Amino acid sequence: QVQLQESGPGLVKPSETLSLTCIVSGGSISSGGYYWSWIRQHPGKDLEWIGFMYHDGSTYFNPSLKSRINISMDKSKNQLSLRLSAVTAADTAIYYCARVERGGGNYFFDNWGQGTLVTVSA
Amino acid sequence: DIQMTQSPSSLSASVGDRVTITCRASQSSGTFLNWYQLKPGKAPKLLIYSASSLHYGVPSRFSGRGSGTEFTLTISSLQPEDIATYYCQQSFNPLFLTFGGGTKVEMK
Repeated sequence: QVQLQESGPGLVKPSETLSLTCIVSGGSISSGGYYWSWIRQHPGKDLEWIGFMYHDGSTYFNPSLKSRINISMDKSKNQLSLRLSAVTAADTAIYYCARVERGGGNYFFDNWGQGTLVTVSA
Repeated sequence: DIQMTQSPSSLSASVGDRVTITCRASQSSGTFLNWYQLKPGKAPKLLIYSASSLHYGVPSRFSGRGSGTEFTLTISSLQPEDIATYYCQQSFNPLFLTFGGGTKVEMK
């Protein structure tokens, strides 16, 4: 069973860059067959897909966040990273990493981390 | 983007009740529709994928139906451990995955 664990600072100042990592265990992010994604849940409970990455380096981002996002992989550490620039209070959320399975053209999140809360405040 | 609308936004039911949650898409999503269960402080869980396929390890009291623009998630006999918020998610447009607004299930 794949396990994912997010980590990062719980508090980020407005206009700064949010940086999170996700350590994957029980499976290799380099092996292919799966995408690896970031998702967030806003305080009002809405879920928002941020983007995902494949082991070949290809990335797909939410168009509404695309200009501020960078997702990368460190295959040697088996971890996924997220950087979100120019944050505002609207970026306050629980951030999840998740594995994405693609089956018959359907993309779904079959394994998730527990999430990490990030608050944007001065 | 494809907008997903869930109803109701919350519901209260008793142990053993049959519970049905509806998810409507703003345009056809085929059967590229998935359901998740979220509980505070826990890793979210995939329940149903491709509209009606039960993810392994998920109790058989959960079921999904639908295609096109209307989908349902049914819990045939509500259990205390099913108290959670449930979300649908479409991948008909894989370049812009979107979720429904969530349905909070509480115990009466």
